[in-house]
Parts: sequence; C-alpha cells; structure tokens
Amino acid sequence: SQTIHQWPATLVQPVGSPLSLECTVEGTSNPNLYWYRQAAGRGLQLLFYSVGIGQISSEVPQNLSASRPQDRQFILSSKKLLLSDSGFYLCAWSGPRQGRSNQPQHFGDGTRLSIL
Amino acid sequence: AQRVTQPEKLLSVFKGAPVELKCNYSYSGSPELFWYVQYSRQRLQLLLRHISRESIKGFTADLNKGETSFHLKKPFAQEEDSAMYYCALQYNFNKFYFGSGTKLNVKP
Repeated sequence: SQTIHQWPATLVQPVGSPLSLECTVEGTSNPNLYWYRQAAGRGLQLLFYSVGIGQISSEVPQNLSASRPQDRQFILSSKKLLLSDSGFYLCAWSGPRQGRSNQPQHFGDGTRLSIL
Repeated sequence: AQRVTQPEKLLSVFKGAPVELKCNYSYSGSPELFWYVQYSRQRLQLLLRHISRESIKGFTADLNKGETSFHLKKPFAQEEDSAMYYCALQYNFNKFYFGSGTKLNVKP
C-alpha cells in the first residue's frame, strides 16, 4: 500500500536561517506531488506541485522553493526564512490522471513551522 | 479566477439532526469537486468526490452547476462526524484550490 512520510513534525527556526522540509512517498511510482501551507483560520494554499523529477510548478511568489531530486521525494526549502513563513506545511501526493478522472490527494501529517 | 468559499467557520448541531456544510465555487471551466475531512489527531483525508456520486459515512454532495455549489449533507449527524471539513476544487488537471474549512461540532 502507498504511504507518505513528512518530517519533521515540528520545527522552530530563527529568522534568516535556512529551511529544508522533506516528503517521501512509498508504494507508488511517478506520483504527482504537492506542497501546501495552511495559515490559521484559512484554507490550504497550494505552493508547489510536481508531475515528475525536476518538474516544479510554483503557484504563488514567495520566499520558498521546491525540488524533486527523486521520483518519490519532494523537498521544500528556503535560503532565509521570514517571520511570515510560519505556518503549517502539508505534503500530498496523487496518482496520475486516469482517462477523464482526476485522482484524489493523500496527505502527510504536516510540519508545524515556527519562526522566531 | 477559481475560488472556493465555505461561509461557515463553525457549525454546531445536535446528534440526530440534519447537517449541511455549504460550499460555493467559481471556475470558468468544468469543475471537479471534493470534500476532505480531518478528524481530531488524524490526517486530512478524502471523504467524497462529486464524480463518484457516492455516499460515504452517510454523507452526500451534489454538484449544482447552476448555483455553483457543492454542499455536503447528512440527514442524521453522529458525534463521530465532528471534524474539520474542507471543500476543494481541482482544475487544470493538477491544481487544487481549498476552501477555508468548516468545523462541524456534533453535540450529544
């Protein structure tokens, strides 16, 4: 069966420090991968998605970047964190589109990021 | 631009009462809509999708293109239905737009 792992669960970082959040998927190949941010009282905001190795699409301009060095690995990074980067970050995967039907997403446990 | 609106942040009902969680969307193309649920201390997970036309845990949702709505309904709420519910719009094959969520509280 497919599983998704996201770590760390909680992270406290000072302003200006770098960031690396990792997400890996097991039990499937060539998944679509996603990074979301959830701010308090708001919905999930799609940050990045990837349909294959090295293919990254950014949805919103920001201080973050994403990379997909391997088929089932998705990394969220920043060179210098800002206070506004605080939030809850979720990784998700979905299978490839089948015919006319899109596939639902499967979410990780999330990372609570606090910037001090 | 695409958008999903869930007007209620919190919905409280008594056990056995009907429940309706509202979701309205705006999208110029052909939408695919989902409801996701997050129970306490669990991951966000798919509840149902409009294309399946199914009932999951007694919940149903009908896509109304005229009213651009995808409300989630259950005739008799149970305490275990208490959770956070998100309506989501999938567009352009790979992109998702989530509403801000509604917290459902089912009281005994």
